[in-house]
Amino acid sequence: DSGVTQTPKHLITATGQRVTLRCSPRSGDLSVYWYQQSLDQGLQFLIQYYNGEERAKGNILERFSAQQFPDLHSELNLSSLELGDSALYFCASTDSLHAAGELFFGEGSRLTVL
Amino acid sequence: GENVEQHPSTLSVQEGDSAVIKCTYSDSASNYFPWYKQELGKRPQLIIDIRSNVGEKKDQRIAVTLNKTAKHFSLHITETQPEDSAVYFCAASIGRGGADGLTFGKGTHLIIQP
Repeated sequence: DSGVTQTPKHLITATGQRVTLRCSPRSGDLSVYWYQQSLDQGLQFLIQYYNGEERAKGNILERFSAQQFPDLHSELNLSSLELGDSALYFCASTDSLHAAGELFFGEGSRLTVL
Repeated sequence: GENVEQHPSTLSVQEGDSAVIKCTYSDSASNYFPWYKQELGKRPQLIIDIRSNVGEKKDQRIAVTLNKTAKHFSLHITETQPEDSAVYFCAASIGRGGADGLTFGKGTHLIIQP
């Protein structure tokens, strides 16, 4: 158990819909990362938050947004969903600002868009 | 941004033999290189990492080597066992200055043949 909690574990929805994925980092970790894992694309970095502020952006679509709340949990919002958004979405946390140490991953949220 | 290439995409070795996975990175400022193992249906977990001031690091049957000049690093697994079967991801991070994400390679599916 990494200490990172993600909900829901599985989500099935239709194209055009909007979903929210939630992540609770390890106790004491201020930094939260979101990654998308598709079959042929490995782990794609989406966005990073540190202590409530956005700190780095990767290949995140404009239809996607995220935030980190004062209690440090984070939410990833995916809207106008397309079939290609079907993937496993991982949240990871660490105690530092920089990705220069171990990232602790949650179990992931599997999104299926039909 | 950083680009990480990983080869091969699939590697099949006989149990007891060695396995080598290679990665190259593009940004000479990268200074942190972790390797993650992801078993089927599970979250990625750190197995070993190396920083740019070190050329090689070992931990029991696994080792990582780094060639900063050539901008490549490799994972070596000796005396492979069935439980080594998994997808392995290399990654690179600048880890200094502003915050950054961890850029992953696309993964290597390691198959240990009995």
